[in-house]
Amino acid sequence: DQQVKQNSPSLSVQEGRISILNCDYTNSMFDYFLWYKKYPAEGPTFLISISSIKDKNEDGRFTVFLNKSAKHLSLHIVPSQPGDSAVYFCAAPTDNTDKLIFGTGTRLQVFP
Amino acid sequence: NAGVMQNPRHLVRRRGQEARLRCSPMKGHSHVYWYRQLPEEGLKFMVYLQKENIIDESGMPKERFSAEFPKEGPSILRIQQVVRGDSAAYFCASSSIRTSTDTQYFGPGTRLTVL
Repeated sequence: DQQVKQNSPSLSVQEGRISILNCDYTNSMFDYFLWYKKYPAEGPTFLISISSIKDKNEDGRFTVFLNKSAKHLSLHIVPSQPGDSAVYFCAAPTDNTDKLIFGTGTRLQVFP
Repeated sequence: NAGVMQNPRHLVRRRGQEARLRCSPMKGHSHVYWYRQLPEEGLKFMVYLQKENIIDESGMPKERFSAEFPKEGPSILRIQQVVRGDSAAYFCASSSIRTSTDTQYFGPGTRLTVL
């Protein structure tokens, strides 16, 4: 039962263009979402989050959009840089223990 | 300004041996979460601990796996009689308080290889 889904395993974008990473969820009880970035051989690094009371949260080059009716969120990176090349996971805390449910990740490659 | 520390970073074991993975949370953090990432998959929750207490172990395999977070010292994830299917990256994360909006900070992971 995959409650958080990232249907695109990989994405390739040219430097300077926009990267859009998508995430869908099935549990309507989720009220908070996080994006993590992961480089090879490292742990995930928190990137940006959004509460369900908002539909947009922006931090520098990173913006997360939330569409509650569609149970969909997306991460926009603009302009994309080669250093953004990594695997991006969306996640949501669940239950009263706040364990994170992760998507399977999208591997972003930004080429010059 | 140490973040979450995990050791060892790499661990090689033969089938049937025991694996011990350690996690020291960030300073001031009393909540520890363990996750496992199998190859080509996302991270899967295993267990959530506070000092001296297991709060949620719903993601832990019923046999061979155990976790603790003693009053003093790091959190330990212990895998007895390892099998090849235990080969994975094990990450721990810590947070300061338990709310759904508190960020969990991850360690670099321990990569376990079972021969």
